[in-house]
Amino acid sequence: EVQLVESGGGLVQPGGSLRLSCAASGFTFSSYAMHWVRQAPGKGLEYVSAISSNGGSTYYANSVKGRFTISRDNSKNTLYLQMGSLRAEDMAVYYCARLTYDILTGYPDAFDIWGQGTMVTVSS
Amino acid sequence: DIQLTQSPSFLSASVGDRVTITCRASQGISSYLAWYQQKPGKAPKLLIYAASTLQSGVPSRFSGSGSGTEFTLTISSLQPEDFATYYCQQLNSYPPLTFGGGTKVEIK
Repeated sequence: EVQLVESGGGLVQPGGSLRLSCAASGFTFSSYAMHWVRQAPGKGLEYVSAISSNGGSTYYANSVKGRFTISRDNSKNTLYLQMGSLRAEDMAVYYCARLTYDILTGYPDAFDIWGQGTMVTVSS
Repeated sequence: DIQLTQSPSFLSASVGDRVTITCRASQGISSYLAWYQQKPGKAPKLLIYAASTLQSGVPSRFSGSGSGTEFTLTISSLQPEDFATYYCQQLNSYPPLTFGGGTKVEIK
């Protein structure tokens, strides 16, 4: 079964750090760019970060740039998000997602697989 | 960055109703648009990609149309399990792969 399973969420104080993991199974993880999307309580989806299939390229939303680091270990089929200097506004459910591509054009199609999400609570 | 504006943000409808949600892009994105459904406490689920292609396993009452800057998601006959929040996402200008603000469909 193709799936993504996040872990690592929890309660952290403002200014603290946390590392999220996303374990992939059922597909060739190293062939896909991977992404993190978050959702604050009662709010919409916010695109947070991305990493290319080989880890050579990364992207961060302005809201997390300089504080978060995305990485991956293709030998372990695992995606990571290292979060530092956490703020109240970072409190959210964090989802990892797989981006699928049109095999003919090479253009991105959609996030076809999502993890179940892991909650990050930032509070003193 | 490309901005996506969904309308309405809230919609009240009855079972059996035909429902249409609109997503407008701040600049042309060709047909690089996806639609997702999200139920409370669950991850988003892909419904439609490339503006009009139905994801495998999604009921045929869902359909998508549009290109350029204006897109629609239509549910031809609303079912009880369709009450949820719907999001559009652009995939033309990447990164970031921005989302619309969402449309919550509730029971009238």
